[in-house]
Amino acid sequence: GAGVSQSPRYKVTKRGQDVALRCDPISGHVSLYWYRQALGQGPEFLTYFNYEAQQDKSGLPNDRFSAERPEGSISTLTIQRTEQRDSAMYRCASSPWGTSGEQYFGPGTRLTVT
Amino acid sequence: AQTVTQSQPEMSVQEAETVTLSCTYDTSESDYYLFWYKQPPSRQMILVIRQEAYKQQNATENRFSVNFQKAAKSFSLKISDSQLGDAAMYFCAYTLGGGATNKLIFGTGTLLAVQP
Repeated sequence: GAGVSQSPRYKVTKRGQDVALRCDPISGHVSLYWYRQALGQGPEFLTYFNYEAQQDKSGLPNDRFSAERPEGSISTLTIQRTEQRDSAMYRCASSPWGTSGEQYFGPGTRLTVT
Repeated sequence: AQTVTQSQPEMSVQEAETVTLSCTYDTSESDYYLFWYKQPPSRQMILVIRQEAYKQQNATENRFSVNFQKAAKSFSLKISDSQLGDAAMYFCAYTLGGGATNKLIFGTGTLLAVQP
Protein backbone atom coordinates (compact mmCIF):
# COMPACT_ATOMS: atom_id res chain seq x y z
CA GLY A 1 0.00 0.00 0.00
CA ALA A 2 0.95 3.65 -0.19
CA GLY A 3 3.33 4.99 2.41
CA VAL A 4 3.38 8.33 4.13
CA SER A 5 3.47 11.17 1.64
CA GLN A 6 4.50 14.77 2.16
CA SER A 7 4.17 17.84 0.00
CA PRO A 8 5.86 19.82 -1.22
CA ARG A 9 9.11 17.87 -1.25
CA TYR A 10 11.10 21.10 -1.54
CA LYS A 11 10.07 24.58 -0.53
CA VAL A 12 12.07 27.76 -0.88
CA THR A 13 10.56 30.82 0.71
CA LYS A 14 11.61 34.30 1.64
CA ARG A 15 12.04 35.38 5.21
CA GLY A 16 8.78 36.64 6.65
CA GLN A 17 6.50 34.50 4.47
CA ASP A 18 4.17 31.85 5.83
CA VAL A 19 4.50 28.24 4.71
CA ALA A 20 2.21 25.22 5.02
CA LEU A 21 3.60 21.71 4.90
CA ARG A 22 1.29 18.80 4.27
CA CYS A 23 1.40 15.21 5.47
CA ASP A 24 -0.79 12.39 4.25
CA PRO A 25 -0.37 9.38 6.59
CA ILE A 26 -0.83 5.73 5.83
CA SER A 27 -4.53 5.00 5.60
CA GLY A 28 -5.98 3.96 8.92
CA HIS A 29 -3.05 5.10 11.01
CA VAL A 30 -4.25 6.72 14.20
CA SER A 31 -1.14 8.60 15.24
CA LEU A 32 0.67 11.25 13.26
CA TYR A 33 3.95 12.89 14.23
CA TRP A 34 5.94 15.88 13.06
CA TYR A 35 9.71 16.06 13.44
CA ARG A 36 12.34 18.55 12.32
CA GLN A 37 15.81 17.45 11.26
CA ALA A 38 18.76 19.76 10.84
CA LEU A 39 21.59 18.62 8.58
CA GLY A 40 23.83 16.12 10.34
CA GLN A 41 21.47 15.77 13.29
CA GLY A 42 18.78 13.35 14.36
CA PRO A 43 15.11 14.25 13.97
CA GLU A 44 13.64 16.29 16.81
CA PHE A 45 10.04 15.90 17.89
CA LEU A 46 7.67 18.79 17.25
CA THR A 47 4.12 17.58 17.88
CA TYR A 48 1.79 14.63 17.48
CA PHE A 49 -1.86 13.73 17.07
CA ASN A 50 -4.04 10.79 17.89
CA TYR A 51 -6.94 11.03 15.47
CA GLU A 52 -7.70 14.76 15.29
CA ALA A 53 -6.59 15.54 18.84
CA GLN A 54 -3.21 17.16 19.33
CA GLN A 55 -1.71 15.16 22.17
CA ASP A 56 1.62 16.85 22.66
CA LYS A 57 2.98 20.06 21.19
CA SER A 58 5.87 20.49 23.57
CA GLY A 59 8.42 20.34 20.76
CA LEU A 60 7.08 23.30 18.79
CA PRO A 61 9.87 25.89 19.13
CA ASN A 62 7.65 28.98 19.41
CA ASP A 63 4.20 30.29 18.61
CA ARG A 64 5.01 30.79 14.92
CA PHE A 65 4.67 27.03 14.56
CA SER A 66 1.27 25.33 14.60
CA ALA A 67 -0.22 22.10 13.37
CA GLU A 68 -3.64 20.70 12.75
CA ARG A 69 -5.30 17.45 11.71
CA PRO A 70 -8.95 18.43 11.51
CA GLU A 71 -10.42 15.16 10.21
CA GLY A 72 -7.95 12.77 11.76
CA SER A 73 -6.17 12.06 8.51
CA ILE A 74 -4.15 14.70 6.61
CA SER A 75 -2.15 17.11 8.74
CA THR A 76 -0.72 20.53 8.05
CA LEU A 77 2.25 22.10 9.78
CA THR A 78 2.23 25.86 9.40
CA ILE A 79 5.15 28.18 10.03
CA GLN A 80 4.29 31.87 10.14
CA ARG A 81 6.75 34.70 9.46
CA THR A 82 9.52 32.29 8.54
CA GLU A 83 13.08 32.94 9.64
CA GLN A 84 16.34 31.57 8.26
CA ARG A 85 16.76 29.38 11.34
CA ASP A 86 13.60 27.53 10.31
CA SER A 87 15.47 26.00 7.36
CA ALA A 88 15.52 22.22 7.87
CA MET A 89 13.98 18.93 6.77
CA TYR A 90 10.49 18.54 8.17
CA ARG A 91 9.42 14.94 8.55
CA CYS A 92 6.07 13.39 9.16
CA ALA A 93 5.52 9.89 10.51
CA SER A 94 2.43 7.82 11.22
CA SER A 95 1.63 4.79 13.29
CA PRO A 96 -1.31 2.48 13.92
CA TRP A 97 -2.58 2.36 17.48
CA GLY A 98 -0.61 0.30 19.97
CA THR A 99 2.15 -0.97 17.68
CA SER A 100 4.98 -0.78 20.13
CA GLY A 101 6.29 2.52 18.98
CA GLU A 102 6.97 1.77 15.33
CA GLN A 103 6.60 4.84 13.19
CA TYR A 104 6.66 5.02 9.41
CA PHE A 105 8.31 8.09 8.00
CA GLY A 106 7.52 10.12 4.93
CA PRO A 107 10.18 11.46 2.57
CA GLY A 108 10.24 14.85 4.25
CA THR A 109 9.90 18.44 3.07
CA ARG A 110 13.15 20.34 2.66
CA LEU A 111 12.45 23.94 3.68
CA THR A 112 14.89 26.68 2.80
CA VAL A 113 14.27 30.21 4.01
CA THR A 114 16.26 32.85 2.15
CA ALA B 1 14.17 13.42 30.78
CA GLN B 2 15.07 10.64 28.38
CA THR B 3 18.21 11.05 26.30
CA VAL B 4 19.95 9.00 23.62
CA THR B 5 23.69 9.24 23.01
CA GLN B 6 25.69 8.01 20.05
CA SER B 7 29.35 8.59 20.76
CA GLN B 8 30.71 7.62 17.35
CA PRO B 9 30.09 10.39 14.80
CA GLU B 10 31.69 8.32 12.02
CA MET B 11 32.66 4.70 11.49
CA SER B 12 34.23 2.81 8.61
CA VAL B 13 34.15 -0.88 7.71
CA GLN B 14 35.50 -3.03 4.90
CA GLU B 15 33.00 -4.75 2.70
CA ALA B 16 32.10 -8.23 4.08
CA GLU B 17 33.43 -7.34 7.53
CA THR B 18 31.48 -6.76 10.75
CA VAL B 19 30.95 -3.41 12.45
CA THR B 20 29.29 -2.41 15.72
CA LEU B 21 27.64 0.96 16.30
CA SER B 22 27.20 2.13 19.88
CA CYS B 23 24.22 3.72 21.59
CA THR B 24 23.47 4.51 25.21
CA TYR B 25 20.32 5.96 26.64
CA ASP B 26 19.04 7.33 29.89
CA THR B 27 15.59 6.69 31.27
CA SER B 28 13.88 5.94 34.56
CA GLU B 29 11.10 4.03 32.83
CA SER B 30 10.92 0.24 32.68
CA ASP B 31 8.62 -0.11 29.66
CA TYR B 32 10.11 1.27 26.49
CA TYR B 33 11.28 0.42 23.00
CA LEU B 34 14.54 1.00 21.21
CA PHE B 35 15.13 1.28 17.49
CA TRP B 36 17.83 1.65 14.91
CA TYR B 37 16.92 3.69 11.85
CA LYS B 38 18.98 3.94 8.68
CA GLN B 39 19.15 7.13 6.63
CA PRO B 40 20.85 6.61 3.25
CA PRO B 41 21.89 9.51 1.00
CA SER B 42 18.31 9.70 -0.25
CA ARG B 43 17.50 10.87 3.32
CA GLN B 44 14.65 8.42 3.77
CA MET B 45 14.22 7.06 7.30
CA ILE B 46 14.20 3.27 7.22
CA LEU B 47 13.53 1.15 10.29
CA VAL B 48 16.31 -1.43 10.67
CA ILE B 49 15.51 -3.19 13.93
CA ARG B 50 13.39 -2.88 17.07
CA GLN B 51 13.88 -4.09 20.64
CA GLU B 52 11.30 -4.26 23.42
CA ALA B 53 12.81 -3.49 26.81
CA TYR B 54 10.93 -6.31 28.54
CA LYS B 55 12.45 -8.90 26.22
CA GLN B 56 15.82 -10.26 27.25
CA GLN B 57 16.48 -11.85 23.89
CA ASN B 58 18.39 -9.63 21.50
CA ALA B 59 16.55 -8.76 18.29
CA THR B 60 17.93 -9.88 14.95
CA GLU B 61 16.99 -9.05 11.37
CA ASN B 62 19.07 -10.92 8.82
CA ARG B 63 22.57 -9.36 8.94
CA PHE B 64 21.55 -6.88 11.65
CA SER B 65 21.50 -7.71 15.34
CA VAL B 66 21.57 -5.80 18.58
CA ASN B 67 23.31 -6.21 21.90
CA PHE B 68 20.78 -4.92 24.43
CA GLN B 69 22.18 -4.46 27.93
CA LYS B 70 19.28 -3.10 29.99
CA ALA B 71 21.15 -2.58 33.24
CA ALA B 72 23.90 -0.69 31.44
CA LYS B 73 21.35 1.15 29.26
CA SER B 74 23.28 0.18 26.18
CA PHE B 75 21.89 -0.75 22.77
CA SER B 76 24.50 -1.43 20.10
CA LEU B 77 23.89 -2.45 16.49
CA LYS B 78 26.02 -5.12 14.82
CA ILE B 79 26.10 -5.30 11.04
CA SER B 80 27.58 -8.55 9.72
CA ASP B 81 28.90 -9.14 6.21
CA SER B 82 28.75 -5.41 5.48
CA GLN B 83 27.61 -4.41 2.02
CA LEU B 84 28.11 -1.22 0.05
CA GLY B 85 24.39 -0.52 0.42
CA ASP B 86 24.79 -0.36 4.19
CA ALA B 87 26.59 2.97 3.88
CA ALA B 88 24.32 5.48 5.57
CA MET B 89 23.68 7.52 8.68
CA TYR B 90 22.38 5.32 11.49
CA PHE B 91 20.20 6.72 14.25
CA CYS B 92 19.41 5.09 17.56
CA ALA B 93 15.99 6.01 18.96
CA TYR B 94 13.94 5.49 22.11
CA THR B 95 10.25 5.66 22.86
CA LEU B 96 8.08 4.95 25.87
CA GLY B 97 5.94 1.83 25.92
CA GLY B 98 2.60 1.39 27.58
CA GLY B 99 0.36 0.67 24.63
CA ALA B 100 -0.10 4.13 23.25
CA THR B 101 2.33 5.43 20.70
CA ASN B 102 4.76 8.07 21.80
CA LYS B 103 7.34 10.38 20.35
CA LEU B 104 10.71 9.04 19.29
CA ILE B 105 13.84 10.50 20.84
CA PHE B 106 16.82 10.19 18.52
CA GLY B 107 20.55 10.24 18.99
CA THR B 108 22.80 12.41 16.86
CA GLY B 109 23.67 9.60 14.47
CA THR B 110 26.68 7.63 13.28
CA LEU B 111 27.80 7.98 9.67
CA LEU B 112 28.89 4.58 8.39
CA ALA B 113 31.20 4.29 5.39
CA VAL B 114 31.69 0.92 3.69
CA GLN B 115 34.99 0.48 1.86
CA PRO B 116 35.10 -1.85 -1.15
